[in-house]
Amino acid sequence: GAGVSQSPSNKVTEKGKDVELRCDPISGHTALYWYRQSLGQGLEFLIYFQGNSAPDKSGLPSDRFSAERTGGSVSTLTIQRTQQEDSAVYLCASSQLAGEQFFGPGTRLTVL
Amino acid sequence: GENVEQHPSTLSVQEGDSAVIKCTYSDSASNYFPWYKQELGKRPQLIIDIRSNVGEKKDQRIAVTLNKTAKHFSLHITETQPEDSAVYFCAASLHGGSQGNLIFGKGTKLSVKP
Repeated sequence: GAGVSQSPSNKVTEKGKDVELRCDPISGHTALYWYRQSLGQGLEFLIYFQGNSAPDKSGLPSDRFSAERTGGSVSTLTIQRTQQEDSAVYLCASSQLAGEQFFGPGTRLTVL
Repeated sequence: GENVEQHPSTLSVQEGDSAVIKCTYSDSASNYFPWYKQELGKRPQLIIDIRSNVGEKKDQRIAVTLNKTAKHFSLHITETQPEDSAVYFCAASLHGGSQGNLIFGKGTKLSVKP
């Protein structure tokens, strides 16, 4: 079946603009996660959804970052007033109730 | 919160040799420890995982060991092949991996020389 998909695959934006990143999880997966991977670095946790609710938002780096999930499926990560330090690959993952996290291909964000 | 340290950051071995990557974690409540392999430009993929009620797990050339007392776990790759070259990430989770986030180490870049 289809894996986790993300769009766009690449996004170039100017400093100060808002961006929206989309994640389509594997059908039936109740949990959805957002991570950020800076060049040559590990994966930094941002936010986690169980269904449509986000019990853990502790990783969001600032109030410019927000995320939502609707219908227990698609999720969008929004970054307002982007800064150059927001440049990174944003990875989404999904899992079943007791299974591994499957990652999407990521969105490479470049803030000029 | 949880903190995961991973060593070494880079590792170069000859084809056929073994490779060992080590991780330590800080929160004794963590109970799920996966290892992900990320090839250049690709998404991370799970290669093996272990839960805190098990001390060792093996899958062909890959094995993971867990020492809960010392709060460290290790990945062992035997008979390495060039296709094992990638970045490997360890991670820890407080909630079994499916009901909470993973905290990742910073990764180990493994190079296997033919």
